[in-house]
Amino acid sequence: ETGVTQSPTHLIKTRGQQVTLRCSSQSGHNTVSWYQQALGQGPQFIFQYYREEENGRGNFPPRFSGLQFPNYSSELNVNALELDDSALYLCASSRDRDYGYTFGSGTRLTVV
Amino acid sequence: AQSVTQLDSQVPVFEEAPVELRCNYSSSVSVYLFWYVQYPNQGLQLLLKYLSGSTLVESINGFEAEFNKSQTSFHLRKPSVHISDTAEYFCAVSDPVSSSNTGKLIFGQGTTLQVKP
Repeated sequence: ETGVTQSPTHLIKTRGQQVTLRCSSQSGHNTVSWYQQALGQGPQFIFQYYREEENGRGNFPPRFSGLQFPNYSSELNVNALELDDSALYLCASSRDRDYGYTFGSGTRLTVV
Repeated sequence: AQSVTQLDSQVPVFEEAPVELRCNYSSSVSVYLFWYVQYPNQGLQLLLKYLSGSTLVESINGFEAEFNKSQTSFHLRKPSVHISDTAEYFCAVSDPVSSSNTGKLIFGQGTTLQVKP
C-alpha cells in the first residue's frame, strides 16, 4: 500500500509568482485535503476535494485554488505569492471523508 | 467555532519519566479528537483518535489519551518516555462528517516534547 507522496519537497519562489504543488493520494483514497503549516504553528485547513469537487474551504483567499483529478491525485495552486505564504504545505488523503487521514511529508515553500 | 488549546508549548522530560501533554477544546457539538506526532522534516502521523465508545484510547507505542467531556479535555499521557519520543505533538478536533461538514481537522499550536537522557 503506497502512502501519500508530495512534490516537490522544497521550493523557493519570488513574491508575486505562481506555484503549483502536487499530491498523489494513498491507494483507494478518494478525498484529499490541503493544510498550511507556518513555522511554529499547527496546520490550518485550506480546502478539501471529494470525488473531484471542492467540498469545503478554510479561511484562505481565492488566490489559493486546487484541482483533483480522476485518479484522485491533486494540485494546490497559489497565485500572486506573498512572503506570508512561506510555510509547509501538507496534503492528506482519506477514503470517503472518513477519519483515516494519511498525511504526506509536505512541500516546504519559501517566498523571497 | 471550534478551537483547540495546547497548554504547553514545550515539555522537557528525562528519559523513562512519565509525561502528560495537555489539550483542551471548545465545541458545542459532538466532536472527534485526535493526537498527531510530527518528527523533524516529516509530515503528520496519527498517534490515536477518539470517535466514540471507551473514553480511554491507546496507541501501539505506549501513549494513551482520555476524553473528558465535562472538562473538554483530551490529554495525552505516557508512563515512561524514550529518547525516540522527542517530536512535535498536535491535538486536533473535528466535527462528524455530514452533508455540511467536511470532517476537516482543527489543530492546536503544538507541544514540543524534549526527552533528555
